[in-house]
Amino acid sequence: QQQVKQSPQSLIVQKGGISIINCAYENTAFDYFPWYQQFPGKGPALLIAIRPDVSEKKEGRFTISFNKSAKQFSLHIMDSQPGDSATYFCAAVNTDKLIFGTGTRLQVFP
Amino acid sequence: DTGVTQSPTHLIKTRGQQVTLRCSPISGHKSVSWYQQVLGQGPQFIFQYYEKEERGRGNFPDRFSARQFPNYSSELNVNALLLGDSALYLCASSSRGSYGYTFGSGTRLTVV
Repeated sequence: QQQVKQSPQSLIVQKGGISIINCAYENTAFDYFPWYQQFPGKGPALLIAIRPDVSEKKEGRFTISFNKSAKQFSLHIMDSQPGDSATYFCAAVNTDKLIFGTGTRLQVFP
Repeated sequence: DTGVTQSPTHLIKTRGQQVTLRCSPISGHKSVSWYQQVLGQGPQFIFQYYEKEERGRGNFPDRFSARQFPNYSSELNVNALLLGDSALYLCASSSRGSYGYTFGSGTRLTVV
């Protein structure tokens, strides 16, 4: 069964700090790895994504690091802000189907 | 561009009843997918439709069905509702060959 494992389940970070969320996958057939941000009462919104032939992608304060040999990828949020407080999901795409991780609830305190 | 529109936003049903959820994709998007998100968990894939044809089905019972219309909007039907069907049902649209899935805000279904 295809799985994406995500950790930690919850994360508390002080304003200005770095938030790091990790994911691991098993199926090598995945060909795209997006991260989604979800606020209460809303659907997930695409934050940043990476293809497996790239080791790192940065967009503003958000960076994905990808380790193909270890089948792991992570999201780094630099200079974390209270507005970043949300639930974050990693995902992997296989034949147009998104396989989501279990989610990380991030709380950023001022 | 009004984004992905889902209706209704909230719904309360009794066990054994049937429910129909609706989704309008972003203009120009021909692919629609449905996901179920139980509280505290990640969304789980239910169906994908492209050009009115089913292109993928997740591990859900036959009580779940869907269809896509000529205007690319979609309906998700769930029969014989169980308490465990209570969840946020999400619709996502994308253009063919694109991995940029855009989600709607979902329909919160409560089965009592």
